Amino acid sequence: GENVEQHPSTLSVQEGDSAVIKCTYSDSASNYFPWYKQELGKGPQLIIDIRSNVGEKKDQRIAVTLNKTAKHFSLHITETQPEDSAVYFCAASYQGGSEKLVFGKGTKLTVNP
Amino acid sequence: DSGVTQTPKHLITATGQRVTLRCSPRSGDLSVYWYQQSLDQGLQFLIQYYNGEERAKGNILERFSAQQFPDLHSELNLSSLELGDSALYFCASSVVGGRAQETQYFGPGTRLLVL
Repeated sequence: GENVEQHPSTLSVQEGDSAVIKCTYSDSASNYFPWYKQELGKGPQLIIDIRSNVGEKKDQRIAVTLNKTAKHFSLHITETQPEDSAVYFCAASYQGGSEKLVFGKGTKLTVNP
Repeated sequence: DSGVTQTPKHLITATGQRVTLRCSPRSGDLSVYWYQQSLDQGLQFLIQYYNGEERAKGNILERFSAQQFPDLHSELNLSSLELGDSALYFCASSVVGGRAQETQYFGPGTRLLVL
């Protein structure tokens, strides 16, 4: 079955710096890669996603890149702010009769003012 | 606010007991997913329903079951509870399954504590 590895597990940056979180997946049939942000006491919230026919997608300070050959994708947050502090999860899914998501273990991002 | 609601927010119960978690999907969403989040296992997919029918199963124990009703709300039933079942249980919903993967919107979760 699909397996998603996520690194690092914790990340601490200074406000204004960039943060990068990386994920690798095992199933080459995976074609959908969302990123979720989870704040304390809340459910995961989608922040950006990318499909396998696209190599990069950007939304303001957040960008995601996908390398299908290497089976890895990354989240980039620029000009980090304290409110970016949260746990970030990557996930992978393929449309093969089910839309279930397989999640990475999460990255706890701390942005220090 | 994702539009997905879950009740109750917190649940404390004893080993051996049975509980029911409830989820109402976003208006118009036909698919409901259940996930379990624990510290050591992360977010694990349990089961998916689409328009009242089971669509996919993940790492769901035999002691657990779910259903989706005609009004599209879903319930997750956990029985013969063990200490290790203590976790956050999330429901998510999406419009479908169709050809393209749809965004899943997560509810706020139910925190279950088994004593």
